[in-house]
Amino acid sequence: GNSVTQMEGPVTLSEEAFLTINCTYTATGYPSLFWYVQYPGEGLQLLLKATKADDKGSNKGFEATYRKETTSFHLEKGSVQVSDSAVYFCALGYTGRRALTFGSGTRLQVQP
Amino acid sequence: DAGVTQSPTHLIKTRGQQVTLRCSPKSGHDTVSWYQQALGQGPQFIFQYYEEEERQRGNFPDRFSGHQFPNYSSELNVNALLLGDSALYLCASSLRTTNLDNEQFFGPGTRLTVL
Repeated sequence: GNSVTQMEGPVTLSEEAFLTINCTYTATGYPSLFWYVQYPGEGLQLLLKATKADDKGSNKGFEATYRKETTSFHLEKGSVQVSDSAVYFCALGYTGRRALTFGSGTRLQVQP
Repeated sequence: DAGVTQSPTHLIKTRGQQVTLRCSPKSGHDTVSWYQQALGQGPQFIFQYYEEEERQRGNFPDRFSGHQFPNYSSELNVNALLLGDSALYLCASSLRTTNLDNEQFFGPGTRLTVL
């Protein structure tokens, strides 16, 4: 079956540091890939997405590239802020089906 | 636009009881999906409703059931509660198309504790 594996957290960084959160997946066919963010006390928000191999999703300074050869979708940001502190989830899904498969999440803590 | 709303925010039940959780989708959305998020885990898909019928279902027992109303709001019912049902229950709404680019919007969730 489909699965998503994320690096374990928490990831603790100083403000303005470079961020990488690793995500790899196992899936059949050609899924779309997503990063969601969950701030304390809130629901999940879509951060970015990529629908086919070699696509790069980007939003709010975050980027991730869909790498089919390595089955990866790593999240990166060049300079994190305290406000980026949250839990980040990698997920995959298929066109026409609404169910998403999520990773276990990675907590990011950014210190001033 | 209020976005996706869920009620109640928190709920405490004892084993064997039944619980009903409620979700109102974002304005203009007709599809509601439910997810269970155990502590420290990612959300797990329970089921999805549109046109008042269950359309997809994840790997959850029949104790988990749902309903969608004509106004697109939805309920999640769990019978014979187990300790392992303690989790954050998330509702997500979307507009039904075959295009997965149509974003799902998540509510803040209902925290269920089973004692």
